[in-house]
Amino acid sequence: DTGVSQDPRHKITKRGQNVTFRCDPISEHNRLYWYRQTLGQGPEFLTYFQNEAQLEKSRLLSDRFSAERPKGSFSTLEIQRTEQGDSAMYLCASSKGGGVYEQYFGPGTRLTVT
Amino acid sequence: GDSVTQMEGPVTLSEEAFLTINCTYTATGYPSLFWYVQYPGEGLQLLLKATKADDKGSNKGFEATYRKETTSFHLEKGSVQVSDSAVYFCALWTDSNYQLIWGAGTKLIIKP
Repeated sequence: DTGVSQDPRHKITKRGQNVTFRCDPISEHNRLYWYRQTLGQGPEFLTYFQNEAQLEKSRLLSDRFSAERPKGSFSTLEIQRTEQGDSAMYLCASSKGGGVYEQYFGPGTRLTVT
Repeated sequence: GDSVTQMEGPVTLSEEAFLTINCTYTATGYPSLFWYVQYPGEGLQLLLKATKADDKGSNKGFEATYRKETTSFHLEKGSVQVSDSAVYFCALWTDSNYQLIWGAGTKLIIKP
């Protein structure tokens, strides 16, 4: 069990640019979640996958955001035409299932949009 | 909708003091309740959980009891250490949400 990894750990980009983040979950976990966290707040749910299927997407997620998990393993989160309001920590978590199964979190990717 | 409310921080205590961090929730179903902890520079990790009323979760000297009558899940520790300094998040899960609902977090600072 090597834990959940995320890449990159930090990303600075200019407004209007596209960015892509990667998450590698724990290998036997079939659920993968993306969250966004801003300073002084709890994580905000963005979307989740059961294997390769994206089952839920937050209404807060604009059309500029897209996520994939093509083979049910790693996942990518892309933000197109970034805005300053997108600056946040993007967290990935994985679990064996829903409900009471523990979600294991990665260290996060800190995005700064200038 | 479902929600979690935590006491605001930061909470500053001296080493060996008793700790309580309050957490109350609103949920339409029968939630499972969690405390997660985020140490400086690290990712979130599960501290403890309780899945039904009157259950007590415990780990690393921390405890929390699922109180349905008061819709609360307060975190307690009898004697805190400097190493307990971190941000603590209360969260709930219901099947109708398909996601964890999080409180805003409480920063805990323990002074030697």
